[in-house]
Amino acid sequence: GDSVTQMEGPVTLSEEAFLTINCTYTATGYPSLFWYVQYPGEGLQLLLKATKADDKGSNKGFEATYRKETTSFHLEKGSVQVSDSAVYFCALKGTGANNLFFGTGTRLTVIP
Amino acid sequence: DAMVIQNPRYQVTQFGKPVTLSCSQTLNHNVMYWYQQKSSQAPKLLFHYYDKDFNNEADTPDNFQSRRPNTSFCFLDIRSPGLGDAAMYLCATSRDSGQFVQPQHFGDGTRLSIL
Repeated sequence: GDSVTQMEGPVTLSEEAFLTINCTYTATGYPSLFWYVQYPGEGLQLLLKATKADDKGSNKGFEATYRKETTSFHLEKGSVQVSDSAVYFCALKGTGANNLFFGTGTRLTVIP
Repeated sequence: DAMVIQNPRYQVTQFGKPVTLSCSQTLNHNVMYWYQQKSSQAPKLLFHYYDKDFNNEADTPDNFQSRRPNTSFCFLDIRSPGLGDAAMYLCATSRDSGQFVQPQHFGDGTRLSIL
């Protein structure tokens, strides 16, 4: 079945450091891929998405490229800020499916 | 702003006492979802409504039920909450046109505690 494997955390970085959170997936067909962010005490917010191979999703300085050859959708940001501290979830929506499969989440803490 | 609203944000109930969580949306989305998220875990889909059609996940306990009286509202009913049901419950919506992939929009969640 469809699944998402996400880099385990927690991740602690200094402000302005480079961020990578790895995400790989298993799916049949052509899934759509998403990154969601969850700030403390809040629900999930869509950060970015990609719906086909080689698509690059980007938002708020974050980027992720849909790599079908490596079945990956790694999240990157060149310079993190304290306000980026949150839990990041990689998610997959299978072809013809309605529901999302989430990774286990990666907690990011950025220190000044 | 159009959004997904969950009430209440925090709910406390007693062991075995039925509880209802509510979700409303102003997005006019045709699909609504309920997820359960336990501490430090990924959200787990309980069920979803595609328009009026109810879709239950195979491993969702019978203790959990849902109602969607109209497009805007969806309720999660827990008939006899146990200690293991303490979690954050997330409501989400999406517009599924069958052709284009639309992301899910989440509410802020209801944190349920069981005494």
